[in-house]
Amino acid sequence: EPEVTQTPSHQVTQMGQEVILRCVPISNHLYFYWYRQILGQKVEFLVSFYNNEISEKSEIFDDQFSVERPDGSNFTLKIRSTKLEDSAMYFCASSGTGGGLFFGSGTQLSVL
Amino acid sequence: GIQVEQSPPDLILQEGANSTLRCNFSDSVNNLQWFHQNPWGQLINLFYIPSGTKQNGRLSATTVATERYSLLYISSSQTTDSGVYFCAVARYQKVTFGIGTKLQVIP
Repeated sequence: EPEVTQTPSHQVTQMGQEVILRCVPISNHLYFYWYRQILGQKVEFLVSFYNNEISEKSEIFDDQFSVERPDGSNFTLKIRSTKLEDSAMYFCASSGTGGGLFFGSGTQLSVL
Repeated sequence: GIQVEQSPPDLILQEGANSTLRCNFSDSVNNLQWFHQNPWGQLINLFYIPSGTKQNGRLSATTVATERYSLLYISSSQTTDSGVYFCAVARYQKVTFGIGTKLQVIP
């Protein structure tokens, strides 16, 4: 069964450093998303991406965040200057024309 | 933005018991999904159910879109059902999650 894959599974970084989280969505999907989940809290929408541009973003997705689809398979989330409060599980998701979100296993980001 | 409320927030069940989880949402939606977050943090898609009823083994779900709610039924619960159950609704390209129901099934 096709799946969304995310790398790395864990990332530890120092405050102020840049991180790039990587995702490979399901190959025939057209819509891509990033979500985050702070420990013990609900899953929060960050951004959606379609046709090589951002289609929707939340208040959380400020100027320190950016997304890119550098080639035909990868979808990345960059955090330019990490803060302690960016520590969370980051989930990538994709969906196709049939609807329904498919999530990756997540990247646990720890900012020290 | 759209509000998603889930109830109950916490639930403890004896193995073998049945339960119903509820999701209310404040506006019309294009899509609704139920997810199970297992103890390892993975989000497992249970149902894509913008309307109607679906069943998959011991789980079933019903969404009444006109009344803005969805129900997830778990029958004959097992310890492996433990975790957090999230309802997520989509309005256009933005998906909003509820805060979840934390389920613990004890032997």
